[in-house]
Order: sequence, then structure tokens, then C-alpha cells
Amino acid sequence: DQQVKQNSPSLSVQEGRISILNCDYTNSMFDYFLWYKKYPAEGPTFLISISSIKDKNEDGRFTVFLNKSAKHLSLHIVPSQPGDSAVYFCAASGSSGGGADGLTFGKGTHLIIQP
Amino acid sequence: DTEVTQTPKHLVMGMTNKKSLKCEQHMGHRAMYWYKQKAKKPPELMFVYSYEKLSINESVPSRFSPECPNSSLLNLHLHALQPEDSALYLCASSLTGLAGVVREQYFGPGTRLTVT
Repeated sequence: DQQVKQNSPSLSVQEGRISILNCDYTNSMFDYFLWYKKYPAEGPTFLISISSIKDKNEDGRFTVFLNKSAKHLSLHIVPSQPGDSAVYFCAASGSSGGGADGLTFGKGTHLIIQP
Repeated sequence: DTEVTQTPKHLVMGMTNKKSLKCEQHMGHRAMYWYKQKAKKPPELMFVYSYEKLSINESVPSRFSPECPNSSLLNLHLHALQPEDSALYLCASSLTGLAGVVREQYFGPGTRLTVT
């Protein structure tokens, strides 16, 4: 059963416009959410995160929004640039209260920025 | 510096071989992780080490044996693997996993493993 869902396998956006990537989760124990960018044959690169006590976090061109009641988060990239073309993974973790937790990843969205 | 290094980058091994994957970080992180990623799939958690102790084993077959010699190093020993174990093996580290503390995980470039 998929606990983190990214329902759009791909998304095409024109350069300079806003890219919006969506993610839904089902596990109520998740309290920390992250977005990663990945190129083929490379490890995921951390982009931005958000704790469940917040509803928005911003870092430069990247903003993550969290709607806890809907169990939904989104990543906004504005303006979109050609170098943003990559696969974007949404990930979540739960607090075990004393140790580290692994991340549960969505299946990813392939973002294509068109010139 | 948010660098996690992994060696080797590529590894081809037979089903009877014994090999090891290595991971290193010098960020002072006390949690380290192994993930497995098959083509066109998301990374899947295998093991978690917290303060050099194994804290999570996601029901991984015993032909994969993790080891954490110290807080900077993480190994994954491989023995009698199957062709379906061919994948990208990713190592990650994080400061800690404690509640209320930032829990970003930083990934290495991965080892591309092919089992023949």
C-alpha cells in the first residue's frame, strides 16, 4: 500500500512559469516532509523540507505548502528554469520518539522545463 | 559541506562472490541509512543505524549484511546475491532522527550493482 503518492508521473512547464508538483500521503504518523531532486544515475539531492507544525516553508525559488487536514503537500518552483528538469521525489518520515526513521518516497514526478 | 561519498561507483559481481559497499560522511551526522533503488522506482529503505547501532532492518534478506564501524563509516557486505538484487544502492546520513530536530537526509551518489 502506497503511503506517499505522486499521481503525476510527468509535468511539462514553460521556462519562466510556475511549476507545481503535488504529493498526497495516507499515514497520519508522518510529521516531516521533504522534496528531493534526482538526475539519472545520481543520488537524490535535498531541496526543501517542512515540519507538520508549519504550513509553508520557502527557500529561494522553492516553496513547500502543507495541508495537514487534506494530507497534501505541494512544491512550487518559480520561476522555472531549464536546470530544474529532473525527477522530483516527495518523501515523508515519522517520529519514532528516540531514533532515526527512514524516508518513505513517492514514485516521483518527471518535470520537464520547455524553453 | 553536505557530502556523502560512496565506493565503488559501479560493481559487477557473480552470484558466488563476496563484496562490500562503502559509505563515508564527515558532517558529524549520527544516523546513517542504506536504500535500494530499482530502475524507474523510488528509493526503498533497507537499514537504519542510529549512533552506530542498527535500529531498523526492513526485513532485508541475510545476504545483505550492514556494518557501522564508527560514526563516519557505513558498510554493506554482500554475499550470494541474486540477479534481482541488481540496483542502485544509496547511502544517506542525517544529523539525528530525534523529534523536533531537522531530519534532512543527505544522499551519496550511489553504487550501481550488477549481479550476473
